[in-house]
Amino acid sequence: GESVGLHLPTLSVQEGDNSIINCAYSNSASDYFIWYKQESGKGPQFIIDIRSNMDKRQGQRVTVLLNKTVKHLSLQIAATQPGDSAVYFCAENSNYQLIWGAGTKLIIKP
Amino acid sequence: DTEVTQTPKHLVMGMTNKKSLKCEQHMGHRAMYWYKQKAKKPPELMFVYSYEKLSINESVPSRFSPECPNSSLLNLHLHALQPEDSALYLCASSQDGRNQPQHFGDGTRLSIL
Repeated sequence: GESVGLHLPTLSVQEGDNSIINCAYSNSASDYFIWYKQESGKGPQFIIDIRSNMDKRQGQRVTVLLNKTVKHLSLQIAATQPGDSAVYFCAENSNYQLIWGAGTKLIIKP
Repeated sequence: DTEVTQTPKHLVMGMTNKKSLKCEQHMGHRAMYWYKQKAKKPPELMFVYSYEKLSINESVPSRFSPECPNSSLLNLHLHALQPEDSALYLCASSQDGRNQPQHFGDGTRLSIL
């Protein structure tokens, strides 16, 4: 079946540097993707989404890139801050269902 | 603060108890969801309500019984749960479900003794 996966389970980044979290998906027909941030003790928080007719979308300090040729999705966080520490999930939205990646834990080094 | 409110935040119950989890949203969303999340894992979909009707049941055991009294409320009734049902139960909502972001509450942490 379809799956959305991540390359790295844990990512350590120096405070102030940029973070890049990667995600691979297997369904070439997927047309909508979402990134969530989940802090300890909280529910997933919507960060940014992108539709398949776009290659790039920017938010506040975050950018999502979609490469449909290799079925790859990435989340870039600029000037990473301690508050960015969390688990980040990519997800493919297929009708009512989210197909989730395994998650990447982002650790910020002071 | 999340716009999806879940109560209680924590719940401890025995295997013979009956309890209910509650979820409320006032964003005018017409799709609502229940998820179960185990530690260090992504959420697993349990149920989807669309326009107050159950549209998806992901083969969830009958000891979990969802209810959608109106477009703003979603309940999950629990009865005769097992220890393996201990998890974080998340509620989410979206405008109408199709290619729309789902917005999550902070969940109910459920422990079964």
